[in-house]
Amino acid sequence: AQKVTQTQTSISVMEKTTVTMDCVYETQDSSYFLFWYKQTASGEIVFLIRQDSYKKENATVGHYSLNFQKPKSSIGLIITATQIEDSAVYFCAMREYTGANTGKLTFGHGTILRVHP
Amino acid sequence: DAGVTQTPRHEVAEKGQTIILKCEPVSGHNDLFWYRQTKIQGLELLSYFRSKSLMEDGGAFKDRFKAEMLNSSFSTLKIQPTEPKDSAVYLCASSFWGSSYEQYFGPGTRLTVL
Repeated sequence: AQKVTQTQTSISVMEKTTVTMDCVYETQDSSYFLFWYKQTASGEIVFLIRQDSYKKENATVGHYSLNFQKPKSSIGLIITATQIEDSAVYFCAMREYTGANTGKLTFGHGTILRVHP
Repeated sequence: DAGVTQTPRHEVAEKGQTIILKCEPVSGHNDLFWYRQTKIQGLELLSYFRSKSLMEDGGAFKDRFKAEMLNSSFSTLKIQPTEPKDSAVYLCASSFWGSSYEQYFGPGTRLTVL
């Protein structure tokens, strides 16, 4: 069975610094998709960035980037030049691909990020 | 493009009542998901539809929870009868099967059962 683990419950950083949030996953599959989502204080959940397991290049979108280490089953989210509005809960998620006729995602429990001025 | 819409945003029910939550997925999306979110359990999958066919319903939620897709652009989640432990945020999400699979979430319905 799939499992996604985010070991950091919360992180506090100063504004304009870089933060990395950890995520490790378990899967029997050789191909899969990994996602990061952000949930704001209002409760809105927003898709941020995706990594396809067959791609060696780390995905980058705006000031979000990923540190994909397939041998370690790890997908870290890096936020550079953090802003106050980055304060939120960040969720890691995974979808298996091969032979799985499903769009279902497995989510981690989330990491709270607090960005201080 | 309109995102996922959910109504109502807030619902207060007495124990034993029946409540119906509504969701409209992103136009063109063919996968629809209902989740329950609590601080302790996190995101729990309640139901999953593809093109109106039920793909999965969370085993623990079969008893009093029933989700339906009335058409490709409208889904409901009925809780009958409600219990105080059902107090949570209920989220609807949609995605396009055959594409990149990221799910897009609605704003959620905060349910309080007294």
